[in-house]
Amino acid sequence: SQWGEENLQALSIQEGEDVTMNCSYKTYTTVVQWYRQKSGKGPALIILIRSNEREKRSGRLRATLDTSSQSSSLSITGTLATDTAVYFCATDDSGYNKLTFGKGTVLLVSP
Amino acid sequence: EAGVTQSPRYAVLQEGQAVSFWCDPISGHDTLYWYQQPRDQGPQLLVYFRDEAVIDNSQLPSDRFSAVRPKGTNSTLKIQSAKQGDTATYLCASSFWDRGGERLFFGHGTKLSVL
Repeated sequence: SQWGEENLQALSIQEGEDVTMNCSYKTYTTVVQWYRQKSGKGPALIILIRSNEREKRSGRLRATLDTSSQSSSLSITGTLATDTAVYFCATDDSGYNKLTFGKGTVLLVSP
Repeated sequence: EAGVTQSPRYAVLQEGQAVSFWCDPISGHDTLYWYQQPRDQGPQLLVYFRDEAVIDNSQLPSDRFSAVRPKGTNSTLKIQSAKQGDTATYLCASSFWDRGGERLFFGHGTKLSVL
């Protein structure tokens, strides 16, 4: 999982497999945002889950949020080689989009 | 709509040299952020603005880093006397201030190498 003093994590899977990555955060947050960053690009939002939601789905993506344990997860079903990227969770305790990012999870999907 | 534009894409310096990064946010976005992303790490906030005002620059190494947004549109981040530890990608992002919990739109970043 991301955050704290943990190193950048890496996952290597085959196309078609499902994957779940985890994120734990340290402070209150109004929202957990998941970003995908491909090589040479800036991060781009893929899914957002608010503090009053427990689950959010978008296509092949599913995010969960447990505010009591201060943790979130991102699942991708039926992965594609194009899902290869670094995935970051980000939290906001300001309510003004002052995001704090986790260390990230490197996902390598082989064809 | 046009995205966040940053320049240059790459910069290579010797220690002690100065460098400036430029950012053009999405039109209409009043909030602009500068993040530093060291290799194999997540982005770390350096400074952010609402219009031309600095909201939070507490993570900006003030002795060598400075950032301005004089007209509340474009922004410049400058490093005086760069150090090897400044090697990172510098990302600019923008959003609306009054839309809390919404996404940030990022530029592609400027990759800085300090030799």
